[in-house]
Amino acid sequence: DAKTTQPPSMDCAEGRAANLPCNHSTISGNEYVYWYRQIHSQGPQYIIHGLKNNETNEMASLIITEDRKSSTLILPHATLRDTAVYYCIVRETNFGNEKLTFGTGTRLTIIP
Amino acid sequence: EAGVTQSPTHLIKTRGQQATLRCSPISGHTSVYWYQQALGLGLQFLLWYDEGEERNRGNFPPRFSGRQFPNYSSELNVNALELEDSALYLCASSLFFGADGRAYEQYFGPGTRLTVT
Repeated sequence: DAKTTQPPSMDCAEGRAANLPCNHSTISGNEYVYWYRQIHSQGPQYIIHGLKNNETNEMASLIITEDRKSSTLILPHATLRDTAVYYCIVRETNFGNEKLTFGTGTRLTIIP
Repeated sequence: EAGVTQSPTHLIKTRGQQATLRCSPISGHTSVYWYQQALGLGLQFLLWYDEGEERNRGNFPPRFSGRQFPNYSSELNVNALELEDSALYLCASSLFFGADGRAYEQYFGPGTRLTVT
């Protein structure tokens, strides 16, 4: 079962920052937060992951609260191509926990 | 660098037949994973292969099986197809666990859409 809670849908204006929240109140010390997105009927795309420090890459930034019970994915300048379902996944990264458990995600719609 | 590739893109079968889906991982990746995404449902983990061995499987019946070849490509076989097997089947690949036991992120292919009539 998914260990995360995400809003089912969000809208964001094109060019603005999209902030997608995720609650993972039962996260344990060795569990990472991963974000993937899935554009309609395509394979999920890896975005970013982190343990407890904020992370940034060319696609997005990940902000994890100090108590690690929630996080926010930030797309700094949203474009129409960012319209997708975004999945927040809590995952142990030790041997035997290699599968990804997807929840229902957040459907992000970028408005022109 | 080429990503994960899957074939065929679409596959139509009738109930009771067998389906074979294929996946080629990213070069250098030894682990291959299979997921099922039925309409309106989330992605469900099916199988994990590494170095030719099945390492783990999800909660699916034995008629879902597969194998991994020496070149790390993989095949998913679904026997005795049922209507509810209609879904998007996704393959992902990753590096195997590092020396510290940490898992690596999985990269997905475009999927094979299987329709059972």
